[in-house]
Amino acid sequence: NAGVMQNPRHLVRRRGQEARLRCSPMKGHSHVYWYRQLPEEGLKFMVYLQKENIIDESGMPKERFSAEFPKEGPSILRIQQVVRGDSAAYFCASSPTESGTVNTGELFFGEGSRLTVL
Amino acid sequence: GESVGLHLPTLSVQEGDNSIINCAYSNSASDYFIWYKQESGKGPQFIIDIRSNMDKRQGQRVTVLLNKTVKHLSLQIAATQPGDSAVYFCAEIYSGTYKYIFGTGTRLKVLA
Repeated sequence: NAGVMQNPRHLVRRRGQEARLRCSPMKGHSHVYWYRQLPEEGLKFMVYLQKENIIDESGMPKERFSAEFPKEGPSILRIQQVVRGDSAAYFCASSPTESGTVNTGELFFGEGSRLTVL
Repeated sequence: GESVGLHLPTLSVQEGDNSIINCAYSNSASDYFIWYKQESGKGPQFIIDIRSNMDKRQGQRVTVLLNKTVKHLSLQIAATQPGDSAVYFCAEIYSGTYKYIFGTGTRLKVLA
C-alpha cells in the first residue's frame, strides 16, 4: 500500500509565478490535511479537506492560496503570485476517517514539497 | 493553539543513554496524543500514541507518559542510537474534532 505521495518534491518559482503542489492520499483515505513548515519550526495547519469539500481553511491566507480535493485525482494546494515568504516545506497528510482510524487515529504524512521562491 | 515560530529547542544525549523529550499540550479536552519523528528532509513519521484513559504506553525502545493533571506528555527513548537523531513533535487531538495540534518540536542530537 503506497503511502501519501506528494509532488513535486522540490519546486522553484520566481516571484509572481504560480505554484501547484499535489498530494495523493493513501488508498482508502478520504481526508486530507495540508501543513506548512518553515525551517527549524513546527507544523502549521493550513487546510482540511474531504472529497469535494473544504471543511476548514482557517489556517490558509485569504489571498493567493487555495486548495481542492476533487472527486477524482489528487488534492492540490495552489499558491498564486508567489512571494519570497511563501518559501517553505508543505506537507500533506491523510487519514481514513475524520479523526483518524478506529485503532490509531494517526495522520499519515507525505515527504513534503519544498517550495523556493527566488 | 498552533505551533509558534520559535527556533527548535535541542536535546543532546550520548549514544546509549536514555532520552526524555517533553511536551506541554494546550487543550485539557484533548483525548488522543501522538509522537512523531521527523528526519531531515522528510515527512513526520508516527512513533507511538496514547489515549487519555492511559497514563503510560510502551513500544519498542520508546515509552510515552501522559500526565493529564498538568497537561504534560513525554517521550522516553531507551539506549538512544545515532538513528534517533531527528526532530520530535507531539500532537494532540480532541476526538470530537478533526484538528491535530502540533507542538513546537524538539531536536534530538545523539553524540557518539
